[in-house]
Amino acid sequence: DIQMTQSPSSLSASVGDRVTIACRASQSITSYLNWYQQKPGKAPKLLIYSASSLQRGVPSTFSGSGSGTDFTLTITSLQPEDFATYYCQQSYSTPLTFGGGTKVEIK
Amino acid sequence: QLQLQESGPGLVKPSETLSLTCSVSGGSISRSTYYWGWIRQPPGKGLEWIGSIYDSGSTYYNPFLKSRVTISVDTSKNQFSLNLSSVTAADTAVYYCARHLLAAGTQVVNWFDPWGQGTLVTVSS
Repeated sequence: DIQMTQSPSSLSASVGDRVTIACRASQSITSYLNWYQQKPGKAPKLLIYSASSLQRGVPSTFSGSGSGTDFTLTITSLQPEDFATYYCQQSYSTPLTFGGGTKVEIK
Repeated sequence: QLQLQESGPGLVKPSETLSLTCSVSGGSISRSTYYWGWIRQPPGKGLEWIGSIYDSGSTYYNPFLKSRVTISVDTSKNQFSLNLSSVTAADTAVYYCARHLLAAGTQVVNWFDPWGQGTLVTVSS
């Protein structure tokens, strides 16, 4: 199975900050990487697929980059509604696996 | 707008079978390019893909759970279901159903969107 490791596991930031979340795969997954946002008590929501493609309706303040084993989710200007937990997911091979999550909290 | 809704018992005894149904509204399970999947999340933990099914009945499962999992589809009711046998406390989780797109054109995407609201299943005697 491909293991997905996210860092940090949590971070504190202020509204307006630029936030970067890292995701590393245990082997190369080229660009087969998706990102989700999950708010407390809610289901995850797809933000980005194929490493850098923005899902329809997702604000352009979100962006994704990377290939191979190292990937990044960037929020260019953190908004109050962006405080949540973010998960990466490899879409390269089954079993499909997720990272452990990064919780973005208010500083 | 496509919506998914999980239903089923919130409490299951150890060694018994967990059974959940996902009802899809605002779109048809049939004649689509999508698979339909189940994902679970133990309390306070991360996400685990359980398996997915196509409207033809074609399935693929997480090998970790494969021996205990059956996913089926009922296109006449626009529903798909999850059975997980021989449950233990480790199977306690919020169970989500979601639409699963394997490929967009020639591009493999394997993403889940949208998701149901989730249902908590507790395994306890």
